[in-house]
Parts: sequence; structure tokens; C-alpha cells
Amino acid sequence: EVQLQQSGAELGKPGTSVRLSCKVSGYNIKSAYIHWVNQRPGKGLEWIGRIDPANGNTIYAEKFKTKATLTADPSSNTAYMQLSQLKSDDTAIFFCTMAVDFPGVMDAWGQGASVTVSS
Amino acid sequence: DIQMTQSPASLSASLGEAVSIECLASEGISNDLAWYQQKSGKSPQLLIYAASRLQDGVPSRFSGSGSGTRYSLKISGMQPEDEADYFCQQNYKYPLTFGSGTKLEIK
Repeated sequence: EVQLQQSGAELGKPGTSVRLSCKVSGYNIKSAYIHWVNQRPGKGLEWIGRIDPANGNTIYAEKFKTKATLTADPSSNTAYMQLSQLKSDDTAIFFCTMAVDFPGVMDAWGQGASVTVSS
Repeated sequence: DIQMTQSPASLSASLGEAVSIECLASEGISNDLAWYQQKSGKSPQLLIYAASRLQDGVPSRFSGSGSGTRYSLKISGMQPEDEADYFCQQNYKYPLTFGSGTKLEIK
């Protein structure tokens, strides 16, 4: 069974950075794409970007190009997202997801990690 | 970017009632359309991909259809466990984009 286990909730001050992790079990991430999606309180889903762990290639939504940095470590089957220059409107739940059969179809999702930005 | 216009924003249905949710893409997406279900406090789960293919384990009362720019998700008979938010998503081109969601409740 494929599982994506995300790191815990983060509380960050404005202007700082946080790094979220997403450890995959039951599937080799080098054979999949890892996407990150956010959901602001009471709102819908927003795609942030995706990484190909086989070669590190990334694609970002325009608004996240300077906000998010996606990386992956195939040796530990783990993906990461760093969020920089945190602002209050970065407060959201962040999901890592995995696309296996189709590059943009999110077959499996992590449980989500809450990021709260507050001074 | 491809805009996904989803409707209705909310609806309520009686047990056993058929339900339909629509998604309109701002340009043709060649059936590269997925539907996700998100129950309260949980992460989304894939229901349908390629517009009409049912993900493994998803009950057969769920179905997807459409082509070009118009797509729909149908539930043939509402069940208590179907109360959730539903989102469409195009995976035709980057950036991937989602519909704004439909909140489905039991009447």
C-alpha cells in the first residue's frame, strides 16, 4: 500500500522559512512525480508545483516560483518543500501528492501539514 | 492558465437521489480531467481520471463523462458517506488547475 507521511504542523514568523517533508512508503518515488497542493482555511485546492525525483526537474505555478522550492531525496524516498519569506496569507494546509500512471493525476495524498504564519 | 468553472458551489441531496456536478474548462482539455473527493478534515482522494475512468476501489455509483470543455461527475444514488467536497482538476497542461469545489450534503 502506498503511503505518504508528512511532517507535522509548523508555526512560523513572518519573513522566516519552513521546510515540509513527505516520506513515501510502498512505492519508489523515482518512478512517480510528487506534486504539492495547498488549501487555505475554508478554501479550495491550489497547485504549487511538482518535482520529478528521478532527475530533480521542477515545474512551479507562477505565483509560487519565488515562494516554494521543491526537492527530493530518492535515497530516503522523501520529498521536501521549503516555503520562504513567510507571510500571513501563506497560512494553509499543504498536501504532498503522488502521480504514478499519469503525470498530472494525483493518485495518492499525504495527510496534510498545517503551516500557520503569525508573529 | 486554464480556468476551471465548477458548479454548483453547493447542493443537498436525499439518500438515493442522483447527483450531478459540472466543470467547464476555459479551453479544450482532451479529457485530461480528474475528480477528487474530500471529506471533512481529510485529504482529497482521487475518484475519476481521464474524465471517465474510475479509480480502483471507488464505488460504481460514481461516474464521469464529458469532452472538450464540459465535464460532469454523477453519483447515481446518494449515500451517507458521499457527503463531502468535490473538486475537478485539469491535467492537460501546466499549471494544473482545480475547480472551486462543490459541497455536497445530505438533505
